[in-house]
Order: sequence, then structure tokens, then C-alpha cells
Amino acid sequence: SQQGEEDPQALSIQEGENATMNCSYKTSINNLQWYRQNSGRGLVHLILIRSNEREKHSGRLRVTLDTSKKSSSLLITASRAADTASYFCATDGFYGGSQGNLIFGKGTKLSVKP
Amino acid sequence: EPEVTQTPSHQVTQMGQEVILRCVPISNHLYFYWYRQILGQKVEFLVSFYNNEISEKSEIFDDQFSVERPDGSNFTLKIRSTKLEDSAMYFCASSDSGRNEQFFGPGTRLTVL
Repeated sequence: SQQGEEDPQALSIQEGENATMNCSYKTSINNLQWYRQNSGRGLVHLILIRSNEREKHSGRLRVTLDTSKKSSSLLITASRAADTASYFCATDGFYGGSQGNLIFGKGTKLSVKP
Repeated sequence: EPEVTQTPSHQVTQMGQEVILRCVPISNHLYFYWYRQILGQKVEFLVSFYNNEISEKSEIFDDQFSVERPDGSNFTLKIRSTKLEDSAMYFCASSDSGRNEQFFGPGTRLTVL
């Protein structure tokens, strides 16, 4: 499989519920970033977690990183309809890493129903 | 809040024509990137640029592609002779460090007919 693969591919929840998305990767990384993309729009940076960090919070977002399992998860708590978007993890390191070239996964399409 | 801007938002061109996609990175950033996303597919790295030269490029970035920072603010991607398969959304990104967050522009949708 590719570097940075998210699962599930699609997730549908009710407003107020929590959403958890997972990402797995293959090579060593310096950091892992999560992005959001609304349909047909640009990528919005959500959070960066470095390889020496295990957990990071930003508002309703919680990201974990397990470098031994080469996996990360993104938790969105108390979801809102406005959270409906595709979520991507992106890792660096594949092309050498020092310049931070990112490798993206295929994304999880999150649908939050009001 | 500073942001990356891209022009045009949508470019339609005929196969074989040259196109130039323009980006204005965040002003104090030093690292610049181009990515593309074919409809329904994942975002793919094309090229990174630092200190006025290409740092790394992917296998997608062949001789038909070139990048330039013609002045202190713009960063351009040129496709010399477009092919149908170049149709995609092209994103510019910038960062203050090779190891920090990358901030993406809104993208240019390129349609090659």
C-alpha cells in the first residue's frame, strides 16, 4: 500500500458525535500533518505532530501518533455539519525529507448529518 | 492572516499549448512547493524549491514542467506542452521551514481539451 493511507475511506455520523480517522504509513517520518479539503477547494492545514510527539490537541481536534506502529489518528469531537469534508494525512520523508515534501493519503470523506 | 494565493482559479487550454500557473507564497516563507490532484485522486507532490533552485522533484515533474521565482513574491509553474492527462487541480504551498506546516493556496483547476 501507499505511504499515508487513511481509513475508513468514508464515514457518516450525526452532528454531536465524535469522528475518528486513522492513517498508516510505511517509512520513517519527521512529522505527520492532517489537512481538510472541502469539495473542490483548497487544503486547509489542521495540525502537525512531530515524530517525537505522541499526542496533540487543537480545539476539537486530537491527533495521536504511534511511530512503532507507523500510524496516526485524528479525532474530531462534538462534530458539526461544517466539519463535512475530506481529511488527509500527509507525511514527509519519502523524497529525502529535509525539504518537507509531503506524501498524501487518499483521504477519509467525512459526512456529518445535522 | 497571511495566505498563499494562486491565479488563475481556472485555466482552460488546448492540448499542446503552454500554460503558466502563478502563486504568491506567504511573504516570509522560504520553501515553496507545487502539488497536483487529479479529480478524485490523492494529492501528489511535484516539486520543491528553496534558495532559488529546485530541491527535489517527483517522477511526474518531467522536462515539460519548470518552475521559477521571477521576483521576490511570485512562484510559477510552467507546463510547456500540455497533455490531456495534465488536467488536474494544481496547488502551490509554502513553508518557513522544511519541517514545519505547509500552507496551501486555493488551487488552479487546469482543464486541457
